[in-house]
Amino acid sequence: SQQGEEDPQALSIQEGENATMNCSYKTSINNLQWYRQNSGRGLVHLILIRSNEREKHSGRLRVTLDTSKKSSSLLITASRAADTASYFCATDPQGGSEKLVFGKGTKLTVNP
Amino acid sequence: GAVVSQHPSWVICKSGTSVKIECRSLDFQATTMFWYRQFPKQSLMLMATSNEGSKATYEQGVEKDKFLINHASLTLSTLTVTSAHPEDSSFYICSARDPSGRPNTEAFFGQGTRLTVV
Repeated sequence: SQQGEEDPQALSIQEGENATMNCSYKTSINNLQWYRQNSGRGLVHLILIRSNEREKHSGRLRVTLDTSKKSSSLLITASRAADTASYFCATDPQGGSEKLVFGKGTKLTVNP
Repeated sequence: GAVVSQHPSWVICKSGTSVKIECRSLDFQATTMFWYRQFPKQSLMLMATSNEGSKATYEQGVEKDKFLINHASLTLSTLTVTSAHPEDSSFYICSARDPSGRPNTEAFFGQGTRLTVV
């Protein structure tokens, strides 16, 4: 079952601008992960933030996590046309299961 | 990172036939793999958890007789869509978690299989 809600569902920006995507979830988690999917392809892991972390950086990516609000955000700075893809958050629920629960995703379009 | 390979990347079949999709972990052993289904412009829906050497665990609402899962070795899980119908047309993706067994690890995904039933 899906527990994540992401907004916006779609985002269109110009190259060079920043893109922010948000994710909310419902249960307690071990960590939250962000994935990227190019059209018709598998998912690629971008970044993982643990439940005891509040912010994490990786290159042009910045992820925040607020466990009190059960929400996370993904910021892509200085976007490029190649960043065009769908982005999904996935929660790793507490309880021992290895199953990830995916949000609905944000379709990002970066216009050159 | 670890590599998960899925085959075929696309397949077209006639209604009533069965289709087998393979998911291989190329450089690690995966006791557990996951099968997802994705409808156009939607998120991934977990169908089942494939367990090496034992029966798969299906999510609620997924027909186990329709979607047969076999995980006979530590590097291969297969999903067979039996008696396929047009409504089974979809994008199917497999994944496996980091083989180290450590907590807080990422998942590795296959390339996905586009199934079209005509």
